[in-house]
Amino acid sequence: AQKVTQAQTEISVVEKEDVTLDCVYETRDTTYYLFWYKQPPSGELVFLIRRNSFDEQNEISGRYSWNFQKSTSSFNFTITASQVVDSAVYFCALGSYTNAGKSTFGDGTTLTVKP
Amino acid sequence: SQTIHQWPATLVQPVGSPLSLECTVEGTSNPNLYWYRQAAGRGLQLLFYSVGIGQISSEVPQNLSASRPQDRQFILSSKKLLLSDSGFYLCAWRPGGRPQETQYFGPGTRLLVL
Repeated sequence: AQKVTQAQTEISVVEKEDVTLDCVYETRDTTYYLFWYKQPPSGELVFLIRRNSFDEQNEISGRYSWNFQKSTSSFNFTITASQVVDSAVYFCALGSYTNAGKSTFGDGTTLTVKP
Repeated sequence: SQTIHQWPATLVQPVGSPLSLECTVEGTSNPNLYWYRQAAGRGLQLLFYSVGIGQISSEVPQNLSASRPQDRQFILSSKKLLLSDSGFYLCAWRPGGRPQETQYFGPGTRLLVL
């Protein structure tokens, strides 16, 4: 069975602080895909990034960076110099062929950035 | 470009009343379609998905049903709503059924059952 765990239910930081959102996954597949989505207060989920299991290169996009470590089955997301607009619920998700291509979502982490 | 619509945006319904939520996708053909529910402060629960017209897979037993009468239309229904049906309903699409494909979500419908 596949599982995604986002142990941090809620995180609160002050603007300009760095914050890391944890994601730990479980799967028996050797080929799989990891995603992060952002859900702002408006409700619509927005895709942020996708990684496949064969690419462990970390990625940076502006203030966002992702650390993928297969050895610990983790795909953590760091926001540098957080801003109020980063306040949202962030979901980590896992997809593989074993699950008929469907994505398994974590329960999400609610990030609040205070001014 | 592709666009996904959901309506209504919000809905307040009495217990026992019927429900119909609609989702349509523009700019693509034969998408995989999904209905998710998000309870307050909780994660996403996959309710139904469809790989084609008339093809519906149910993920959890409940008093909800789904239909796909047209290629880009996905409908979530109930004959009699329960209090526990309250939540935020999200429709999503992806080009096919491959796990590497990103899902694109609609704006959602907030349902409150009283």
